[in-house]
Amino acid sequence: DAGVIQSPRHEVTEMGQEVTLRCKPISGHNSLFWYRQTMMRGLELLIYFNNNVPIDDSGMPEDRFSAKMPNASFSTLKIQPSEPRDSAVYFCASSGVGDQPQHFGDGTRLSIL
Amino acid sequence: QQPVQSPQAVILREGEDAVINCSSSKALYSVHWYRQKHGEAPVFLMILLKGGEQKGHEKISASFNEKKQQSSLYLTASQLSYSGTYFCGTYNQGGKLIFGQGTELSVKP
Repeated sequence: DAGVIQSPRHEVTEMGQEVTLRCKPISGHNSLFWYRQTMMRGLELLIYFNNNVPIDDSGMPEDRFSAKMPNASFSTLKIQPSEPRDSAVYFCASSGVGDQPQHFGDGTRLSIL
Repeated sequence: QQPVQSPQAVILREGEDAVINCSSSKALYSVHWYRQKHGEAPVFLMILLKGGEQKGHEKISASFNEKKQQSSLYLTASQLSYSGTYFCGTYNQGGKLIFGQGTELSVKP
């Protein structure tokens, strides 16, 4: 079975550029999560969706970050404009509704120069 | 409120046992455990949904003490493949999973 698919796997771009990260959750999963992982701050939940609706975006660092889920099989996390402090590994995860195990994608390693 | 894990890091020899603790200042509804190997994504290990429940798979098991608001992960007769960072995640009343800071486990031959 296909797991959570993220693209790109690696992204290197210059400060000020727009960055778009993509995620395809596991088919049938109702919840989708975006995380950011850094050495300093660990694994942080940025935003999560239930049935394509954003439920909690309190972890989104600032207005430069936005996330959408236009349908059950696709989500994007956008950073505009990007800054060097946004450099991190970004994970997408999906799960069934409620308190269910989360399945993580392989992550996008983002470097902002 | 982020759960607190202890210890932050542990080094073992193959065959030794380890315990990783996870505690919260808030009431817990469930506890998740995940393992992340270097350069990879976190992988789900187990979920504990009831107070006092113990679950396990092979030589990795966990307990959940709802009253004490804590969970412990037990690794028995550790293998090299157990190396990685272990995260507990606590599910709060708002329906959000909050991860601890992680415990780095290194198993040496």
